[in-house]
Amino acid sequence: LAKTTQPISMDSYEGQEVNITCSHNNIATNDYITWYQQFPSQGPRFIIQGYKTKVTNEVASLFIPADRKSSTLSLPRVSLSDTAVYYCLVGLAGFQKLVFGTGTRLLVSP
Amino acid sequence: GEEVAQTPKHLVRGEGQKAKLYCAPIKGHSYVFWYQQVLKNEFKFLISFQNENVFDETGMPKERFSAKCLPNSPCSLEIQATKLEDSAVYFCASSQSGQAYEQYFGPGTRLTVT
Repeated sequence: LAKTTQPISMDSYEGQEVNITCSHNNIATNDYITWYQQFPSQGPRFIIQGYKTKVTNEVASLFIPADRKSSTLSLPRVSLSDTAVYYCLVGLAGFQKLVFGTGTRLLVSP
Repeated sequence: GEEVAQTPKHLVRGEGQKAKLYCAPIKGHSYVFWYQQVLKNEFKFLISFQNENVFDETGMPKERFSAKCLPNSPCSLEIQATKLEDSAVYFCASSQSGQAYEQYFGPGTRLTVT
């Protein structure tokens, strides 16, 4: 599985857009990019997955440049409840085990 | 059920004692995964099952850890002779297909070894 690098932490304020970038220089041709979110004292929860260009759902957007060596998770207008750890994972869409990095701890303040 | 259930929520064991954790996957899900999360968000995959069969056990410390998923019973993860470094939160996840975007995690069991 490709190694990923993310910022350890980020701070934001309510109502702002937050962009978390993940670097995955050795991503393979068939790899997908998946993001999970973990609130304190809870298990991780799937947010979004993509292969190239842009994916959007009701929670977030995922931007993937043409070379796919990085990806950016975009959270529009964050609220206090978006305070969590965000994990970027890279691997085959059907890969069975998830390999989490250290994630990005996002703190949203009033 | 519609959520992955894990019991107990907290477990305290003295070094050398046995610990047994349980996981009830979402009804209809064929795959069960166990992960260990220690400090600083570090996750470690332990083992996965497809129904009652071991699918991938590459992460299991086999000398002390064992796991089962039997029909009509919660899955279990057992640690014989616990060590201090086993202190962690153990998460169970279930999936219908095993796809990376479709693993639903339980709330975890916090194991503290004293």
